[in-house]
Amino acid sequence: QVQLQGSGPGVVKPSETLSLTCTVTGYSISRGSYWAWIRQPPGKGLEWIATIEHSGRTYYTSSLKSRVTMSVDTSKNQFSLNLSSMTAADTAVYYCVRYSGYYIDYWGQGTLVTVSS
Amino acid sequence: EIVLTQSPGTLSLSPGERATLSCRASQSVSSSHLAWYQQRPGQAPRLIIYGASSRATGIPDRFSGGGSGTDFTLTISRLEPEDFVVYYCQHDATFGQGTKVEI
Repeated sequence: QVQLQGSGPGVVKPSETLSLTCTVTGYSISRGSYWAWIRQPPGKGLEWIATIEHSGRTYYTSSLKSRVTMSVDTSKNQFSLNLSSMTAADTAVYYCVRYSGYYIDYWGQGTLVTVSS
Repeated sequence: EIVLTQSPGTLSLSPGERATLSCRASQSVSSSHLAWYQQRPGQAPRLIIYGASSRATGIPDRFSGGGSGTDFTLTISRLEPEDFVVYYCQHDATFGQGTKVEI
């Protein structure tokens, strides 16, 4: 059974960089598929942030591209997200997911990140 | 960049009724890349329809999807109490804004 477990700080100060990691179990990232981060501000809809292939090739949403970095560590079966210059508008639940290239078939539990001083 | 517009924003129905949710793309998209998700409060979304019309594993047959080109629909034939939640369509890295089905 594929499982994704996101981890990271619950609170980030304004202007700081958010770092999140997702650990995958039950499936080897190096086998393939795509891996992504999606966020959902409280009470709002879903926003795609970034996608990475097992090779390390990345795709970033245009509105966040200047602030986002995504990476993969196949030796640890993990992938990560860095989002810089955080503001209150970045307060959201951040989900790590497995993306088949067509649909998302596995979701992490979500990590609530609050931007606050 | 493709924009997905879902309508209505909120759908008010009763248990046992039929629900029809719409997802319209700003340009023609491949049906194989169109999916629907259900999100219950406090939970991550879950896949219910992929490839526009294929039910995901474990999804009851009261859920069906259809459409092509720019217009897609999610139909719930007979609403059960647990179906009164939020639904999103997705194409590649874009989501619709969601439709809430309420009693």
